[in-house]
Amino acid sequence: SQTIHQWPATLVQPVGSPLSLECTVEGTSNPNLYWYRQAAGRGLQLLFYSVGIGQISSEVPQNLSASRPQDRQFILSSKKLLLSDSGFYLCAWTGGGYTEAFFGQGTRLTVV
Amino acid sequence: SQQGEEDPQALSIQEGENATMNCSYKTSINNLQWYRQNSGRGLVHLILIRSNEREKHSGRLRVTLDTSKKSSSLLITASRAADTASYFCATLRRGSARQLTFGSGTQLTVLP
Repeated sequence: SQTIHQWPATLVQPVGSPLSLECTVEGTSNPNLYWYRQAAGRGLQLLFYSVGIGQISSEVPQNLSASRPQDRQFILSSKKLLLSDSGFYLCAWTGGGYTEAFFGQGTRLTVV
Repeated sequence: SQQGEEDPQALSIQEGENATMNCSYKTSINNLQWYRQNSGRGLVHLILIRSNEREKHSGRLRVTLDTSKKSSSLLITASRAADTASYFCATLRRGSARQLTFGSGTQLTVLP
């Protein structure tokens, strides 16, 4: 069966420090991968999505970047975190065709 | 900007009552999906309705889709305290891109 792993679950980082959040998917090949950010009590903002290795689409300009070095690995990064980068980050994947998404458990990032 | 917008933002009902949430969107879609999120967790897919469908049922869930009005509704019948959660609609656009965009959600509270 397919599973998605996202880590860490919580992270506290100082302003100006780098960030690397990793997401991996098991049990499927060539998934579409997504990174979302959710502010407290708000909806999900699509940050990046990828339909294949090395193919990254960015939805909003920001202090973050994404990479997909392997088929089932999606990484969210920042060189220097800002206070405004705090939030709940969610990774998700969909299969081929127009199907439902499966989410990781999320990473609570607090920038201090 | 977010594709889907739900209303109401918050809904509080008594156990046993029905809960109705609405979603509006802006562009042409392949399908519309509804998700549930417990506080601080990832999202869980509930139901998917395709653009050529008008109504779909799954257990106590009933979803309608009106593509002429670009709107959808989610009805939860005979609600339970365990239904307390945030509910989001999401749209998957037509075409080669795979943007899956979410609305701001409805916070449902079911009182025992």
